[in-house]
Amino acid sequence: DAGVTQSPTHLIKTRGQQVTLRCSPKSGHDTVSWYQQALGQGPQFIFQYYEEEERQRGNFPDRFSGHQFPNYSSELNVNALLLGDSALYLCASSHQLAGEDIQYFGAGTRLSVL
Amino acid sequence: AQTVTQSQPEMSVQEAETVTLSCTYDTSESNYYLFWYKQPPSRQMILVIRQEAYKQQNATENRFSVNFQKAAKSFSLKISDSQLGDTAMYFCAFMSGYGGATNKLIFGTGTLLAVQP
Repeated sequence: DAGVTQSPTHLIKTRGQQVTLRCSPKSGHDTVSWYQQALGQGPQFIFQYYEEEERQRGNFPDRFSGHQFPNYSSELNVNALLLGDSALYLCASSHQLAGEDIQYFGAGTRLSVL
Repeated sequence: AQTVTQSQPEMSVQEAETVTLSCTYDTSESNYYLFWYKQPPSRQMILVIRQEAYKQQNATENRFSVNFQKAAKSFSLKISDSQLGDTAMYFCAFMSGYGGATNKLIFGTGTLLAVQP
């Protein structure tokens, strides 16, 4: 049973560029949440996707956008990258309808903005 | 707004001994869930233990147990018989039970636990 997978593992970009991160949820899960974890901090919620729609959003600017595909996989897009966007980006999946409250995390994508 | 506070940035424990990590939270809700996640150097966040707020009984998972004090809004994690593999960053997290759906997790700043041989 494959767990949550994220790609790429590491990414280096320069300021002003755009980046796309990808996430495949755990088998049987239909909900994907994205978190940003700055160095030495706890993860911060970016947004959550369910049924291909953004259902909840944290306090992040519109430069952060996402998408969920019919197979439940998801993408996180960040436009006009800033130095402060350097962080570990974590994807978590869960099953909405079962009322399951446990989120399972991937190993993350380390984004470095130079 | 809900908040989670972990007041111990770092802790150290000898192998085979017991250690307790502290967590307090603030919420006006009555239905919620609390979690402890472990993040080793591999970066993957791993669920350690989960507590439902409406259950008075403290959750246990093998060597891990919690002391859930709802009135005090306290949720500490006890690790018994510490092992070298327990070395990791530990995060306390809160999730609202509103709507019966999977809601966002609100994390504390973490406690870095080092198990010494």
